[in-house]
Amino acid sequence: ETGVTQTPRHLVMGMTNKKSLKCEQHLGHNAMYWYKQSAKKPLELMFVYNFKEQTENNSVPSRFSPECPNSSHLFLHLHTLQPEDSALYLCASSPLQGANTEAFFGQGTRLTVV
Amino acid sequence: AQSVTQLDSQVPVFEEAPVELRCNYSSSVSVYLFWYVQYPNQGLQLLLKYLSGSTLVKGINGFEAEFNKSQTSFHLRKPSVHISDTAEYFCAVSDPNSGAGSYQLTFGKGTKLSVIP
Repeated sequence: ETGVTQTPRHLVMGMTNKKSLKCEQHLGHNAMYWYKQSAKKPLELMFVYNFKEQTENNSVPSRFSPECPNSSHLFLHLHTLQPEDSALYLCASSPLQGANTEAFFGQGTRLTVV
Repeated sequence: AQSVTQLDSQVPVFEEAPVELRCNYSSSVSVYLFWYVQYPNQGLQLLLKYLSGSTLVKGINGFEAEFNKSQTSFHLRKPSVHISDTAEYFCAVSDPNSGAGSYQLTFGKGTKLSVIP
């Protein structure tokens, strides 16, 4: 248990559905991240929030919409996804947004788009 | 941009044998280096990190890694593996010169370690 909790653990959704992934941390961290982990590809950083403000968006399609209402919670809203968006989505947090800070990861949400 | 190469996608090794998982990175300037482990159906957990100082870094579960600046490598080693070490291992690099307003932890594609009884 790393202190970062993601729900749901598994999600199957149709291409026309709207769903949300939730991430919660009670570590007192100020930076939170969304990563996408696809088979045979490196982990891809999607979004970074630092003190609730989005500081990184790595050219992610608009069908992925992040929300960070406070430093403890991070959401990823999904709509009109494609089958190639099927992947493991990992949330992480760190004390600060900095190159030398360790990121703590959640267990991930396994998303399947049908 | 940084890049990380993990030369072996899969490494099978017998229990109690030594193992080395290789990692090379692209940058010739100062970097921070990390090794993470991912057990099946789990997120990533930090094994060890190199920020500065001694080039030999010791981590959890008996793992260690050596930073070699001239070869731009950060190989992970364990002298005697256990069945429970079966997992996927990720090398990652970040740039200490990135400003406070930016963050980029670049991961390799991972190496799957299979420990054979």
